[in-house]
This record gives sequence, C-alpha cells and structure tokens, in this order.
Amino acid sequence: EAGVAQSPRYKIIEKRQSVAFWCNPISGHATLYWYQQILGQGPKLLIQFQNNGVVDDSQLPKDRFSAERLKGVDSTLKIQPAKLEDSAVYLCASSSQLAGELFFGEGSRLTVL
Amino acid sequence: AQSVTQLDSQVPVFEEAPVELRCNYSSSVSVYLFWYVQYPNQGLQLLLKYLSGSTLVKGINGFEAEFNKSQTSFHLRKPSVHISDTAEYFCAVKSPAGGTSYGKLTFGQGTILTVHP
Repeated sequence: EAGVAQSPRYKIIEKRQSVAFWCNPISGHATLYWYQQILGQGPKLLIQFQNNGVVDDSQLPKDRFSAERLKGVDSTLKIQPAKLEDSAVYLCASSSQLAGELFFGEGSRLTVL
Repeated sequence: AQSVTQLDSQVPVFEEAPVELRCNYSSSVSVYLFWYVQYPNQGLQLLLKYLSGSTLVKGINGFEAEFNKSQTSFHLRKPSVHISDTAEYFCAVKSPAGGTSYGKLTFGQGTILTVHP
C-alpha cells in the first residue's frame, strides 16, 4: 500500500514570497490533515478535511494560509505572503475515518529567509 | 478541549538501560491515545495506540505503554534501549466521538530520547 506522498520535500524562499505544498493521501482515505511542526515543538493542526469539506480550520492563519481539496483526494496548502515565522515542516496525514489512526507523509520543510 | 503534556523534553539514557517517557492528557470525553516516533528528517511513525480494552498496549520495536484513566496518563516504556531508539517521541490524543475535537489528533511537545553507548 502506497503511503502519504508530499512534495516538495524542501523549499527555501524569501519572506513575502509565496509557496505551495502538495499532498496525496492514501487511496480511499476520506480524512486529510495538514499539520505545522516548528522546530522543537509538537505538530499543530492547521486544517482538517473530510472528503472535500473542511472539518476544522480554527488554527489556520487565514490571512496568509489557504488550503483546498477540490476532488476529495489530493490537497494543496498555500502560504502567501510568507513570514519568517512560517519556517517549519508541514506534515500531511490521512485517515480512513475521523476516529481512525493517522498516517503521515515525510513532510515538506520550509525555510523562509 | 483536549491537551497533552509530555513531562520531559529530553531523556538521556545509556544503551541497554530501561526508559520511561511520561505523558499526561486532558480531555472531557473518552479518548484514543497514541505514541509516535520521529527520526531526523522523517515523518511520524506510529509506535502504538490505545483504543479500548487492555490498558497495557504493546507496540513496535519492543515499546509498550499503559493507559491509566484515573491518573490520565499514558507513559511509554522500554525495558532495554538501543542506540537506534534515539529519536523524538510524541504522545497524542484523539477524541473518538462527538465534541469540537472530534477526529482531531492533538500532540504533546515531544520528548527527545538520546541513547548513549
């Protein structure tokens, strides 16, 4: 079974530039999550999708972050414009159901200079 | 709201010694509990999980954890560690049914386990 795929693995940008991360969940998994992991901290949930609908985006900085899952499969997380404090690893995870185990991708490491 | 507290940010230990990584949680409803491990530059890998039933849960790589409802704890243990166990470990809680946290996995701050030869 293929795991959660994420790209790019690494990205370096200047502040005020934009960046997009892509995630392809495990086939058949209805629930998709984006987490932000800042160095030295535990992952923090940014947004949770159930199929193509948003379940929870309470911690997503909506003035600069956006995410979509148009066809209920893969998802894109965008940051525009980026700030220095956005430097982090962005982890995508999927689950077959809301109450189920999460499977994580390897993450996309963002460095904002 | 649910939350997780990992009581030790760093745990150094010698090879073949036992180790315990402590985790306490807070939730107003029943919970599922998880331990994940993260090796450098990698994603999170599930070590073990408690959903229901026996409070002693065995996971991969010789790890086990015990769910204690009265103390709201889920401590991770291994009787004899190896150099390869050096990694960061995260405790996490999920509400299986109802409430504003339904389906949301909340993580602790992590514990860095360093195994010395």
